[in-house]
Amino acid sequence: DAKTTQPTSMDCAEGRAANLPCNHSTISGNEYVYWYRQIHSQGPQYIIHGLKNNETNEMASLIITEDRKSSTLILPHATLRDTAVYYCIAPYNQGGKLIFGQGTELSVKP
Amino acid sequence: GAVVSQHPSWVICKSGTSVKIECRSLDFQATTMFWYRQFPKQSLMLMATSNEGSKATYEQGVEKDKFLINHASLTLSTLTVTSAHPEDSSFYICSARGAGLTLGGYTFGSGTRLTVV
Repeated sequence: DAKTTQPTSMDCAEGRAANLPCNHSTISGNEYVYWYRQIHSQGPQYIIHGLKNNETNEMASLIITEDRKSSTLILPHATLRDTAVYYCIAPYNQGGKLIFGQGTELSVKP
Repeated sequence: GAVVSQHPSWVICKSGTSVKIECRSLDFQATTMFWYRQFPKQSLMLMATSNEGSKATYEQGVEKDKFLINHASLTLSTLTVTSAHPEDSSFYICSARGAGLTLGGYTFGSGTRLTVV
């Protein structure tokens, strides 16, 4: 199983870009990288996913290294409402199951 | 689209009683549903996977006789915590997966906070 490694916590100033790294060095060629976040006492929220190319949507950008061993989630202008635990998940499917690691607790500060 | 409704959002029950939590997919057919539990300051732990019309598959260490899962239709799965005890107090979250979904293919409910007193 491909495992992910994320920093336990990070701080970011409001209005600045938040860059959340994830290491997934054992990912296989056809496994996607998915990012979810969980705001306190709520269910996880999908953010973005990608395979090889960088991806961008209205929430965030995902930068995947060429060797696919790591990726970075970018929140371009973090707000206080982005304070949450961010989970990088790869492989996405383990027999169809979505397994969560410990994630990164992002604190956006005024 | 792709909304999962989970009820109740919180419940308090007496030790020894049973509690049922519902998870409904509102605008899609959920072929597979997942149940998680989450203790404070910890990550989500997968409890079981259920497919419509078949028995749930439980993760190692999860008591299937204590946590009864029913996925009787393509839009509803229920988790019943039987003979609840204080150690069952936790945050329970369901997730649904359906054919053709975007947004990563998995949608989560808002969770149920169970407190057993």
